[in-house]
Amino acid sequence: GAGVSQSPSNKVTEKGKDVELRCDPISGHTALYWYRQSLGQGLEFLIYFQGNSAPDKSGLPSDRFSAERTGGSVSTLTIQRTQQEDSAVYLCASSLLGQNTEAFFGQGTRLTVV
Amino acid sequence: KNEVEQSPQNLTAQEGEFITINCSYSVGISALHWLQQHPGGGIVSLFMLSSGKKKHGRLIATINIQEKHSSLHITASHPRDSAVYICAAREGNTPLVFGKGTRLSVIA
Repeated sequence: GAGVSQSPSNKVTEKGKDVELRCDPISGHTALYWYRQSLGQGLEFLIYFQGNSAPDKSGLPSDRFSAERTGGSVSTLTIQRTQQEDSAVYLCASSLLGQNTEAFFGQGTRLTVV
Repeated sequence: KNEVEQSPQNLTAQEGEFITINCSYSVGISALHWLQQHPGGGIVSLFMLSSGKKKHGRLIATINIQEKHSSLHITASHPRDSAVYICAAREGNTPLVFGKGTRLSVIA
C-alpha cells in the first residue's frame, strides 16, 4: 500500500475484554514496530519484528500483550483482559532493514478501556 | 541504554518567528528522526539524519555526531506549524528511542 495502515482507528472496549489491533506495513518493509503513547506520555517501544529473526518483545508491559506477524507482512497486536491503564494510542511503524533506514508511521489506533 | 532528551518541553511563538527545538542523546546512534504529531493525528516523519544537515521547505534539521546533539529549526513560523515535535534516535537496527516531545504553539 501507499503507507502504513492501522485498524481500527478508534476502539472502545470494556475492561476485561480482549482486543486486536492490526497493522498493515508498507509493502516490502521487513521491519515492523509497535509503540504505545499513553495520555501525556512519550512514545514507548513494545515489540519489534525484524525480517525472519525472532521478534524483540522486550518492551511488552505484561503477558497480557502479544503480537504476531503473519507471512512477514500484516501484524496483529493482541491485548487480553484489557485494563484501564491500557488506554493509549498504539502506533505501528515499518521500515526496510538496515541502519539508516527511515521509519514510516501509521495513524495509530486510539484504544479506550472503560 | 540510549536516552533522548528534548528541550524545550513547551514553546509558544508569534507567527513569523524563528524556532529552534533541541535534542540530545546519550549513546552513538545510526540515525536520528524528527517527527511531527498533530493533535488527534498520526505521526509524520519530517527528517531522518545520520550526519550534517537537511532542509525541506521552512524546516531545517542539523546533527552534530561528536556532541550527540540535533536541532530542528522552523523559519517564518506559521500557526499551522503548531504540533508536537518528537526527536527519536536508534542504534543500528534497534527500535527508536523517543524524546518526550516539544509542544509548539504558533500564535497569529
